[in-house]
Amino acid sequence: QVHLVQSGAEVKRPGASVTVSCEASGYTFTNYAIHWVRQAPGQRPEWMGWINIDSGNTKYSQKFQGRITITRDTSANTVYMELSSLRSEDTAVYYCARNYRGSLEFMDVWGQGTTVTVSS
Amino acid sequence: EIVLTQSPDTLSLSPGETATLSCRASRPVSTTYLAWYQQKPGQAPRLLMYGTTTRATGVPDRFSGRGSGTDFAVTISRLEPEDFAVYYCQQYGSSPLTFGGGTKVEIK
Repeated sequence: QVHLVQSGAEVKRPGASVTVSCEASGYTFTNYAIHWVRQAPGQRPEWMGWINIDSGNTKYSQKFQGRITITRDTSANTVYMELSSLRSEDTAVYYCARNYRGSLEFMDVWGQGTTVTVSS
Repeated sequence: EIVLTQSPDTLSLSPGETATLSCRASRPVSTTYLAWYQQKPGQAPRLLMYGTTTRATGVPDRFSGRGSGTDFAVTISRLEPEDFAVYYCQQYGSSPLTFGGGTKVEIK
């Protein structure tokens, strides 16, 4: 059974950074890229970036360039997403999701989501 | 970036009826690169369809997809109670990957 399990909810002050983790199980971790997608309340999902687990290469949405860092620990089957310089508009549920295959960049398995609240 | 516009915003239907959900792209998307997701309250999106017409594992055949160019749609025949949810389209043909604004299928 393929699973992505994310870390718990976070509350942060504006200007702070947050790191969300995503632990994979049930498949060969290095064979699939991982995406990060966020969804603000009542809004459409928004793609943030992905990481090739095998190479460690990343691709980020230009919207988040400079504020987002995605890394992985292959010994722990875990991916991390750090978002810095947080503002209230970053309040959202953050999801990790497995890339289906290669250049077909849609998501076939999703984590349960992590709520990040940015508030002073 | 490719903007995806879904219509209608909300569809009010009864179980057993047929739902047709539309997704229009701001510029052409290859049929290879269009997916649909279903999302229920408090849950993550669930992959429904990819490559415009291919159902994901476990998705019943009452779901069907079609389209090309800038116009895509998914039809849900014989609505079951578990089909009432929000549906999103997503394009993965160009970066950034983008999602539509969603269509809510609600019980009438």
